[in-house]
Amino acid sequence: KQEVTQIPAALSVPEGENLVLNCSFTDSAIYNLQWFRQDPGKGLTSLLLIQSSQREQTSGRLNASLDKSSGRSTLYIAASQPGDSATYLCAVMDSSYKLIFGSGTRLLVRP
Amino acid sequence: DGGITQSPKYLFRKEGQNVTLSCEQNLNHDAMYWYRQDPGQGLRLIYYSQIVNDFQKGDIAEGYSVSREKKESFPLTVTSAQKNPTAFYLCASSFPDGTVETQYFGPGTRLLVL
Repeated sequence: KQEVTQIPAALSVPEGENLVLNCSFTDSAIYNLQWFRQDPGKGLTSLLLIQSSQREQTSGRLNASLDKSSGRSTLYIAASQPGDSATYLCAVMDSSYKLIFGSGTRLLVRP
Repeated sequence: DGGITQSPKYLFRKEGQNVTLSCEQNLNHDAMYWYRQDPGQGLRLIYYSQIVNDFQKGDIAEGYSVSREKKESFPLTVTSAQKNPTAFYLCASSFPDGTVETQYFGPGTRLLVL
């Protein structure tokens, strides 16, 4: 059974710092890996989607990498801002086309 | 504007009562999903539908029911059999082949038990 783990569970950093969020998964048979952002009490917003054949995707200050063989992904946020404060969720699409989510990393960027 | 709407934003359930959460999308997506989110946890799949008049159970379907009579609508009923319904419920939609494009999420409904 696919399991997705995110470390750390919470992170607090000063504004301007570069940071890395980690995601690991137990079964490498995935179609893709996705990173989402969730603001308190809100729905999810897709940030990046990496196909299983890809190594990384970039969008603005965000860069996500995927190492399928080791079951790991990282989300790199450059020059963090207070507006980046949110919960970041990692999810993998398994062989039955279902999204399996991690429990998220709650990020606070202090001004 | 294209998107997914969920209503109500907050819903209160009395013991033994069935309640229905609404989900509507105008993105012309064939597939729709219901997830449950508990505090500090990720999302868990309740039910999903790839096409009108067809739906499948997810990982935690017990105590829930759905219908898919229209492409745009996928209501979720939380029945009295669901003993711990307090949670945040999220609806999503996508094209059937979700390997290329992501799922789009609604704003969520928070269900509380009186």
